[in-house]
Amino acid sequence: GENVEQHPSTLSVQEGDSAVIKCTYSDSASNYFPWYKQELGKGPQLIIDIRSNVGEKKDQRIAVTLNKTAKHFSLHITETQPEDSAVYFCAASPRSFAAGNKLTFGGGTRVLVKP
Amino acid sequence: DGGITQSPKYLFRKEGQNVTLSCEQNLNHDAMYWYRQDPGQGLRLIYYSQIVNDFQKGDIAEGYSVSREKKESFPLTVTSAQKNPTAFYLCASSIQLGGYTFGSGTRLTVV
Repeated sequence: GENVEQHPSTLSVQEGDSAVIKCTYSDSASNYFPWYKQELGKGPQLIIDIRSNVGEKKDQRIAVTLNKTAKHFSLHITETQPEDSAVYFCAASPRSFAAGNKLTFGGGTRVLVKP
Repeated sequence: DGGITQSPKYLFRKEGQNVTLSCEQNLNHDAMYWYRQDPGQGLRLIYYSQIVNDFQKGDIAEGYSVSREKKESFPLTVTSAQKNPTAFYLCASSIQLGGYTFGSGTRLTVV
């Protein structure tokens, strides 16, 4: 089955700096890579996703890059703000009608933005 | 407003008891999922259902059971066979190949 590894497990940045979280996956059939943000005591919320036919996607201060050959993808947050403090999860899925829509999650990164 | 509701928010279980966690969605999503989250760890898939009256085991199904009799509902029972049930349980739903919407979770503690 799929295995997703995520690094670092904790990340402390100064407000205004950039944060980068990296994930690797094992199943070459995976074609969908979402990122979720989880605030304390709440369920994760989707913040951005990328499909395997795209190398990069950007949404305001958040961007995701994908390297299919190396089987890794990364989340970039620019101009970090205190409200970016949360736990971030990457995930991967071999999404198709045959394989279904199961997500395998990485272990999470706790991001702390210091004012 | 459409959404996914998990109840209760906190649940305490005595040793040897079965408990059932509720998950209801009004998003008209076909697929529903149960994940377990342990402190400092990622989410692990317990069970999932792609359509009513059908469900499949995930990576850590032992000690858990589910049913999917209605499209809106996907309850999870934590049985006495689950040796370490203390965790945060998350339910999610999606259209067939869509992004997940998560509930707010149920924190289960064994006392």
